Amino acid sequence: DTGVSQNPRHKITKRGQNVTFRCDPISEHNRLYWYRQTLGQGPEFLTYFQNEAQLEKSRLLSDRFSAERPKGSFSTLEIQRTEQGDSAMYLCASSSIMGDSNQPQHFGDGTRLSIL
Amino acid sequence: AQSVSQHNHHVILSEAASLELGCNYSYGGTVNLFWYVQYPGQHLQLLLKYFSGDPLVKGIKGFEAEFIKSKFSFNLRKPSVQWSDTAEYFCAVNEDFGNEKLTFGTGTRLTIIP
Repeated sequence: DTGVSQNPRHKITKRGQNVTFRCDPISEHNRLYWYRQTLGQGPEFLTYFQNEAQLEKSRLLSDRFSAERPKGSFSTLEIQRTEQGDSAMYLCASSSIMGDSNQPQHFGDGTRLSIL
Repeated sequence: AQSVSQHNHHVILSEAASLELGCNYSYGGTVNLFWYVQYPGQHLQLLLKYFSGDPLVKGIKGFEAEFIKSKFSFNLRKPSVQWSDTAEYFCAVNEDFGNEKLTFGTGTRLTIIP
């Protein structure tokens, strides 16, 4: 399967713990996005990378959240001191640029975070 | 800021019925428009997209959507639905030539009764 891969699929943790999620994009895609989805809502943008550069962060991304893409390939999203409100599905997507046009984003299966 | 409205939260249809799901967006500039589908237990998949050109776009599995710029709408249609179309459908938009982040609607859950 050459799609976007996310690990773990499900993470259960106690409030106050730190968690880290990993995303492996489609290999030739240079753009990588993180979204968060809560029940009954559409995905909400968190941040995105072009290669290793983090180009935008949403106001949803508090200082407890940090994302990296050190070599322009896989990315990690870390949440420190987790809170109940962090419970959500965290989605990763990737896309490529062809000429001046952006191509559609391809999504992974997501990591479901449950805070006890 | 962009926003996307999907007015139908849950639609229930019988097989062979025709489908139209509404999507309206608010943004003053040039946009790209998308419909994504999420089947039970699966990831979001692209159904169809509009970047430019013919405002009537055809996607996979017999779906189509029409971009009406004057109405800021991008409604999804299918003439005859199947049980396998049961899924959640999301309309999304991003700016052309700029910020590529997607803004999604809240989604429409479609249930097809055999």
